[in-house]
Amino acid sequence: KQEVTQIPAALSVPEGENLVLNCSFTDSAIYNLQWFRQDPGKGLTSLLLIQSSQREQTSGRLNASLDKSSGRSTLYIAASQPGDSATYLCAVEGGNQFYFGTGTSLTVIP
Amino acid sequence: DTGVSQNPRHKITKRGQNVTFRCDPISEHNRLYWYRQTLGQGPEFLTYFQNEAQLEKSRLLSDRFSAERPKGSFSTLEIQRTEQGDSAMYLCASSLAMRETEAFFGQGTRLTVV
Repeated sequence: KQEVTQIPAALSVPEGENLVLNCSFTDSAIYNLQWFRQDPGKGLTSLLLIQSSQREQTSGRLNASLDKSSGRSTLYIAASQPGDSATYLCAVEGGNQFYFGTGTSLTVIP
Repeated sequence: DTGVSQNPRHKITKRGQNVTFRCDPISEHNRLYWYRQTLGQGPEFLTYFQNEAQLEKSRLLSDRFSAERPKGSFSTLEIQRTEQGDSAMYLCASSLAMRETEAFFGQGTRLTVV
Protein backbone atom coordinates (compact mmCIF):
# COMPACT_ATOMS: atom_id res chain seq x y z
CA LYS A 1 0.00 0.00 0.00
CA GLN A 2 1.26 3.48 -0.87
CA GLU A 3 2.40 5.51 2.13
CA VAL A 4 3.12 9.22 1.98
CA THR A 5 5.18 11.04 4.59
CA GLN A 6 5.69 14.76 5.00
CA ILE A 7 8.50 16.36 6.92
CA PRO A 8 8.53 18.54 8.94
CA ALA A 9 5.09 18.31 10.53
CA ALA A 10 5.28 21.97 11.47
CA LEU A 11 7.48 24.87 10.46
CA SER A 12 7.70 28.47 11.64
CA VAL A 13 9.76 31.01 9.71
CA PRO A 14 10.15 34.80 9.64
CA GLU A 15 8.68 36.65 6.69
CA GLY A 16 10.93 36.80 3.64
CA GLU A 17 12.67 33.48 4.18
CA ASN A 18 12.89 30.81 1.52
CA LEU A 19 11.76 27.38 2.67
CA VAL A 20 11.49 23.76 1.56
CA LEU A 21 8.78 21.26 2.40
CA ASN A 22 9.45 17.58 1.88
CA CYS A 23 7.25 14.71 0.75
CA SER A 24 8.24 11.06 0.34
CA PHE A 25 6.29 8.07 -0.94
CA THR A 26 6.95 4.36 -0.86
CA ASP A 27 5.69 3.16 -4.26
CA SER A 28 7.22 4.84 -7.31
CA ALA A 29 4.42 3.61 -9.63
CA ILE A 30 2.47 6.86 -9.56
CA TYR A 31 0.58 8.80 -12.23
CA ASN A 32 1.32 12.20 -10.75
CA LEU A 33 2.03 14.17 -7.59
CA GLN A 34 0.00 17.16 -6.53
CA TRP A 35 0.65 19.79 -3.86
CA PHE A 36 -2.30 21.36 -2.06
CA ARG A 37 -2.81 24.15 0.42
CA GLN A 38 -5.42 23.91 3.18
CA ASP A 39 -6.50 26.79 5.38
CA PRO A 40 -8.08 25.94 8.78
CA GLY A 41 -11.55 24.47 8.40
CA LYS A 42 -11.47 24.78 4.62
CA GLY A 43 -11.12 22.51 1.62
CA LEU A 44 -7.99 21.88 -0.43
CA THR A 45 -6.64 24.32 -3.00
CA SER A 46 -4.46 22.87 -5.75
CA LEU A 47 -1.05 24.52 -6.01
CA LEU A 48 0.98 22.45 -8.45
CA LEU A 49 0.63 19.21 -10.39
CA ILE A 50 3.70 17.27 -11.51
CA GLN A 51 2.97 14.49 -13.98
CA SER A 52 4.98 11.29 -13.66
CA SER A 53 7.15 12.12 -16.69
CA GLN A 54 8.02 15.59 -15.39
CA ARG A 55 10.69 16.60 -12.92
CA GLU A 56 9.44 19.98 -11.76
CA GLN A 57 6.73 22.62 -12.04
CA THR A 58 6.74 26.30 -11.16
CA SER A 59 3.98 28.74 -10.32
CA GLY A 60 4.94 32.20 -9.12
CA ARG A 61 6.97 31.85 -5.91
CA LEU A 62 6.36 28.09 -5.77
CA ASN A 63 8.54 25.41 -7.31
CA ALA A 64 7.92 21.70 -6.91
CA SER A 65 10.25 18.91 -7.92
CA LEU A 66 9.68 15.20 -8.34
CA ASP A 67 12.16 12.31 -8.20
CA LYS A 68 10.12 9.19 -8.82
CA SER A 69 13.02 6.78 -8.50
CA SER A 70 13.83 7.92 -4.97
CA GLY A 71 10.18 8.52 -4.05
CA ARG A 72 10.64 12.17 -3.14
CA SER A 73 9.18 15.56 -3.88
CA THR A 74 10.00 19.00 -2.54
CA LEU A 75 7.97 22.20 -2.51
CA TYR A 76 10.11 25.32 -2.49
CA ILE A 77 8.49 28.59 -1.41
CA ALA A 78 10.48 31.72 -2.15
CA ALA A 79 10.26 34.96 -0.16
CA SER A 80 7.61 33.68 2.24
CA GLN A 81 4.74 35.94 3.27
CA PRO A 82 2.31 35.81 6.23
CA GLY A 83 -0.44 34.90 3.75
CA ASP A 84 1.44 31.67 3.01
CA SER A 85 0.55 30.42 6.49
CA ALA A 86 -1.48 27.23 6.02
CA THR A 87 -1.13 23.45 5.95
CA TYR A 88 0.53 22.07 2.84
CA LEU A 89 -0.41 18.57 1.70
CA CYS A 90 1.15 16.41 -0.96
CA ALA A 91 -0.79 13.65 -2.69
CA VAL A 92 0.26 10.97 -5.17
CA GLU A 93 -2.16 9.42 -7.63
CA GLY A 94 -2.03 5.66 -7.93
CA GLY A 95 -4.72 3.22 -8.97
CA ASN A 96 -8.08 4.93 -8.53
CA GLN A 97 -7.23 7.25 -5.68
CA PHE A 98 -4.95 9.90 -4.29
CA TYR A 99 -2.80 9.05 -1.28
CA PHE A 100 -2.14 11.95 1.08
CA GLY A 101 0.48 12.77 3.64
CA THR A 102 -0.48 14.31 6.97
CA GLY A 103 0.74 17.73 5.90
CA THR A 104 3.18 20.40 7.00
CA SER A 105 1.71 23.26 9.03
CA LEU A 106 3.49 26.45 8.02
CA THR A 107 3.48 29.68 10.00
CA VAL A 108 5.13 32.76 8.51
CA ILE A 109 5.82 35.37 11.18
CA PRO A 110 5.52 39.03 10.13
CA ASP B 1 -18.28 27.12 -13.55
CA THR B 2 -16.94 27.98 -10.14
CA GLY B 3 -15.39 24.68 -9.15
CA VAL B 4 -16.49 21.78 -7.00
CA SER B 5 -19.47 22.64 -4.80
CA GLN B 6 -20.43 20.82 -1.60
CA ASN B 7 -23.56 21.22 0.48
CA PRO B 8 -24.19 21.69 3.28
CA ARG B 9 -20.98 23.27 4.56
CA HIS B 10 -21.75 22.29 8.13
CA LYS B 11 -24.04 19.64 9.62
CA ILE B 12 -24.71 18.90 13.28
CA THR B 13 -26.72 15.78 13.94
CA LYS B 14 -27.66 13.57 16.86
CA ARG B 15 -26.17 10.12 17.13
CA GLY B 16 -28.30 7.58 15.31
CA GLN B 17 -29.70 10.00 12.73
CA ASN B 18 -29.11 9.70 8.99
CA VAL B 19 -27.35 12.45 7.05
CA THR B 20 -26.82 13.09 3.35
CA PHE B 21 -24.22 15.29 1.69
CA ARG B 22 -24.18 16.52 -1.89
CA CYS B 23 -21.28 17.19 -4.25
CA ASP B 24 -21.51 18.97 -7.60
CA PRO B 25 -18.28 18.41 -9.54
CA ILE B 26 -16.84 20.59 -12.27
CA SER B 27 -19.18 20.02 -15.19
CA GLU B 28 -16.87 18.27 -17.65
CA HIS B 29 -15.17 16.08 -15.04
CA ASN B 30 -15.88 12.36 -15.28
CA ARG B 31 -14.04 11.24 -12.15
CA LEU B 32 -15.41 11.98 -8.69
CA TYR B 33 -13.91 11.10 -5.32
CA TRP B 34 -15.07 11.23 -1.71
CA TYR B 35 -12.55 11.62 1.10
CA ARG B 36 -12.79 11.95 4.87
CA GLN B 37 -10.44 14.07 6.96
CA THR B 38 -10.13 14.19 10.73
CA LEU B 39 -8.27 16.86 12.68
CA GLY B 40 -4.53 16.83 12.11
CA GLN B 41 -4.69 14.07 9.52
CA GLY B 42 -4.49 13.94 5.76
CA PRO B 43 -7.60 13.09 3.75
CA GLU B 44 -8.48 9.39 3.59
CA PHE B 45 -10.02 7.83 0.50
CA LEU B 46 -13.62 6.65 0.73
CA THR B 47 -14.86 5.98 -2.80
CA TYR B 48 -14.40 6.76 -6.49
CA PHE B 49 -16.80 7.13 -9.41
CA GLN B 50 -16.12 7.25 -13.11
CA ASN B 51 -19.26 8.72 -14.62
CA GLU B 52 -22.11 6.94 -12.83
CA ALA B 53 -20.13 3.79 -12.02
CA GLN B 54 -18.74 3.37 -8.51
CA LEU B 55 -15.45 1.64 -9.30
CA GLU B 56 -13.71 1.54 -5.95
CA LYS B 57 -14.65 1.65 -2.28
CA SER B 58 -12.36 1.82 0.73
CA ARG B 59 -12.69 -0.52 3.67
CA LEU B 60 -13.39 2.68 5.61
CA LEU B 61 -16.75 2.78 3.84
CA SER B 62 -18.76 0.61 6.22
CA ASP B 63 -22.25 -0.71 5.52
CA ARG B 64 -23.66 2.48 7.04
CA PHE B 65 -22.16 4.54 4.23
CA SER B 66 -23.53 4.67 0.71
CA ALA B 67 -22.64 6.88 -2.22
CA GLU B 68 -24.38 7.44 -5.52
CA ARG B 69 -23.79 9.40 -8.67
CA PRO B 70 -26.94 9.19 -10.76
CA LYS B 71 -26.47 10.10 -14.42
CA GLY B 72 -22.81 10.79 -13.80
CA SER B 73 -23.42 14.32 -12.58
CA PHE B 74 -23.75 15.26 -8.89
CA SER B 75 -23.03 12.74 -6.16
CA THR B 76 -24.50 12.09 -2.73
CA LEU B 77 -22.93 10.47 0.31
CA GLU B 78 -25.31 9.13 2.93
CA ILE B 79 -24.39 8.00 6.41
CA GLN B 80 -27.00 5.97 8.25
CA ARG B 81 -27.22 5.64 12.04
CA THR B 82 -24.45 8.15 12.60
CA GLU B 83 -21.89 7.56 15.34
CA GLN B 84 -19.63 10.05 17.12
CA GLY B 85 -16.68 8.57 15.26
CA ASP B 86 -18.21 9.77 12.01
CA SER B 87 -17.48 13.37 12.99
CA ALA B 88 -15.07 14.65 10.36
CA MET B 89 -14.70 16.83 7.28
CA TYR B 90 -16.07 15.10 4.18
CA LEU B 91 -14.35 16.25 1.00
CA CYS B 92 -15.34 15.75 -2.61
CA ALA B 93 -12.97 16.05 -5.57
CA SER B 94 -13.29 15.77 -9.31
CA SER B 95 -10.97 15.45 -12.30
CA LEU B 96 -11.02 14.73 -16.00
CA ALA B 97 -11.18 11.13 -17.17
CA MET B 98 -7.56 10.93 -18.27
CA ARG B 99 -4.78 10.01 -15.89
CA GLU B 100 -2.26 12.60 -14.80
CA THR B 101 -4.80 15.40 -14.65
CA GLU B 102 -5.31 17.84 -11.84
CA ALA B 103 -7.83 17.06 -9.11
CA PHE B 104 -9.95 19.85 -7.67
CA PHE B 105 -11.50 19.70 -4.23
CA GLY B 106 -14.60 21.32 -2.80
CA GLN B 107 -14.78 23.25 0.48
CA GLY B 108 -15.97 20.18 2.32
CA THR B 109 -18.87 19.37 4.64
CA ARG B 110 -18.03 19.48 8.35
CA LEU B 111 -20.07 16.83 10.19
CA THR B 112 -20.45 16.91 13.96
CA VAL B 113 -22.28 14.04 15.62
CA VAL B 114 -23.46 14.84 19.16
